[in-house]
Amino acid sequence: RKEVEQDPGPFNVPEGATVAFNCTYSNSASQSFFWYRQDCRKEPKLLMSVYSSGNEDGRFTAQLNRASQYISLLIRDSKLSDSATYLCVVTRMDSSYKLIFGSGTRLLVRP
Amino acid sequence: DTGVSQNPRHKITKRGQNVTFRCDPISEHNRLYWYRQTLGQGPEFLTYFQNEAQLEKSRLLSDRFSAERPKGSFSTLEIQRTEQGDSAMYLCASSSAYNEKLFFGSGTQLSVL
Repeated sequence: RKEVEQDPGPFNVPEGATVAFNCTYSNSASQSFFWYRQDCRKEPKLLMSVYSSGNEDGRFTAQLNRASQYISLLIRDSKLSDSATYLCVVTRMDSSYKLIFGSGTRLLVRP
Repeated sequence: DTGVSQNPRHKITKRGQNVTFRCDPISEHNRLYWYRQTLGQGPEFLTYFQNEAQLEKSRLLSDRFSAERPKGSFSTLEIQRTEQGDSAMYLCASSSAYNEKLFFGSGTQLSVL
């Protein structure tokens, strides 16, 4: 079983729609959580961190449920430019501080 | 541009050849990571340096892979006796000691024929 699991999608939504992605992680020792965005043939870039209290950045809202070990990302009023792969990421505070990536959820926003 | 720089951007090689990739991290970042990504998958952790010390190496990395970071600055990733299964995008990332945010380079796309 992968440490971070995501629905690969694709999620195909019209402009203006609200779309939500979930991600589950298996290691209860995971301490930090992020969503990264990756455009086709480009490197991943940090979209937002995910805090226990939930956090919002414009049209994007991220939430963390430690008890159920899942993370969510909500995108409101989808734009064409939101089309990308969204990678769920967790870290463990061991010696490496490494980020562990899910396989990503692909989003396609159509006109 | 003071971002993470990787070269070459693309490398095509024949099976059995050795290849070496270079990564120049953001100058003040002491942490450097190598990841590998194949189509439809997220980046997979390969190895991690804190300054010049290689602190962790993934079990994914066979003995044919070696990475160095002399003097804690740039890093190289070498693959010996390449195999077709090594074909992937090799991503380098760096971060500072005070922030978990990773900054990725554009990657080196390796194709083994």
